[in-house]
Amino acid sequence: AQSVAQPEDQVNVAEGNPLTVKCTYSVSGNPYLFWYVQYPNRGLQFLLKYITGDNLVKGSYGFEAEFNKSQTSFHLKKPSALVSDSALYFCAVRAFSGGYNKLIFGAGTRLAVHP
Amino acid sequence: DTGVSQDPRHKITKRGQNVTFRCDPISEHNRLYWYRQTLGQGPEFLTYFQNEAQLEKSRLLSDRFSAERPKGSFSTLEIQRTEQGDSAMYLCASSLSQVNALYNEQFFGPGTRLTVL
Repeated sequence: AQSVAQPEDQVNVAEGNPLTVKCTYSVSGNPYLFWYVQYPNRGLQFLLKYITGDNLVKGSYGFEAEFNKSQTSFHLKKPSALVSDSALYFCAVRAFSGGYNKLIFGAGTRLAVHP
Repeated sequence: DTGVSQDPRHKITKRGQNVTFRCDPISEHNRLYWYRQTLGQGPEFLTYFQNEAQLEKSRLLSDRFSAERPKGSFSTLEIQRTEQGDSAMYLCASSLSQVNALYNEQFFGPGTRLTVL
């Protein structure tokens, strides 16, 4: 069965420093991987996805993620954090059956960027 | 705003009451999903519609839950005889199935937060 693990409940980083939010996955077959962000009282916003191709995926708001097949990881990164990046981040993997997709989410990591 | 909308945004109810939530997907999207998110957890899949047909229901969806999408456009999620354990954020998402596309992105609505007292 597909699953996603986000080992950190919270990540703290100073503004201007690089940030990493970790994600590991378990899937059968080729993984389709996603990152979403959730701000208070809002739904999930799509950041980026890996389906195939280059292992380094670039997404919205300057975020990127690196797919590592041998380590079954898909860590989210940003070279220089902003206070406005503070939010809840979810990693997800696609579960495909019956001709459609559903998403399996991790428990989330709260990112706190301090001025 | 042409995104996914959900109504109401917040609902407070007493245990044992029935509640109904509505989701309006992006207009041309033929696929609609419901997820539930409890505090400190990621969203969990509940059910999926392709047009008006409900094609999968999670085991999380007990007999007290029912979802419909009568004309293949908006969808409703009803919870009968609510319990305190039903308190959660209920998220709706939609996508457009495209032939030969590797993946059809799901767009999420803002959610309905249910509190059962």
